[in-house]
Amino acid sequence: QKEVEQNSGPLSVPEGAIASLNCTYSDRVSQSFFWYRQYSGKSPELIMSIYSNGDKEDGRFTAQLNKASQYVSLLIRDSQPSDSATYLCAVKSNFGNEKLTFGTGTRLTIIP
Amino acid sequence: DTGVSQDPRHKITKRGQNVTFRCDPISEHNRLYWYRQTLGQGPEFLTYFQNEAQLEKSRLLSDRFSAERPKGSFSTLEIQRTEQGDSAMYLCASSHRLGSGELFFGEGSRLTVL
Repeated sequence: QKEVEQNSGPLSVPEGAIASLNCTYSDRVSQSFFWYRQYSGKSPELIMSIYSNGDKEDGRFTAQLNKASQYVSLLIRDSQPSDSATYLCAVKSNFGNEKLTFGTGTRLTIIP
Repeated sequence: DTGVSQDPRHKITKRGQNVTFRCDPISEHNRLYWYRQTLGQGPEFLTYFQNEAQLEKSRLLSDRFSAERPKGSFSTLEIQRTEQGDSAMYLCASSHRLGSGELFFGEGSRLTVL
């Protein structure tokens, strides 16, 4: 079982709709969770972090965390063509290490 | 712009040669990370420095790989006796908050081993 699992996609969503991206993780001691966006040929950039169960909203983005189910998701409202990218889920244990473990990413395409 | 910079951006080498990549982090960041990314995969952790101390190394970092951060500023990643399996994007990232996981990545150094 991979430590961080994501559906690789591609996920196609019409412009203006809600894009829903999902991620599951295997290590129960994981404490910090991140969503990075990576445009084709570019490096990852952080868009959301979440540390507690529940929802965290930032503009059009909402991160959701359920530690009991070991599940984290990212919702993008009012999707725009500029949201087309690969979205990487990353998890971190707070217990003595700085390593981020990334999933393989979900490729999202917003259809105009 | 004072983001993370990496050099060279592209390197093509023959199998068996040594290569070295350099990373200059954001100036106020004392934490520096190296990751490797291959096509269709997420970044894989290689190593982490806090100031000049190398505090974590992945099992992926074989004895052919060595990283340094001699003065706690820039860092180098050297790969000796390169193999075709070393072909990847080598990403450097920096951070200013311990334990945050909020990394700022450079544009990467793409290595192609022929």
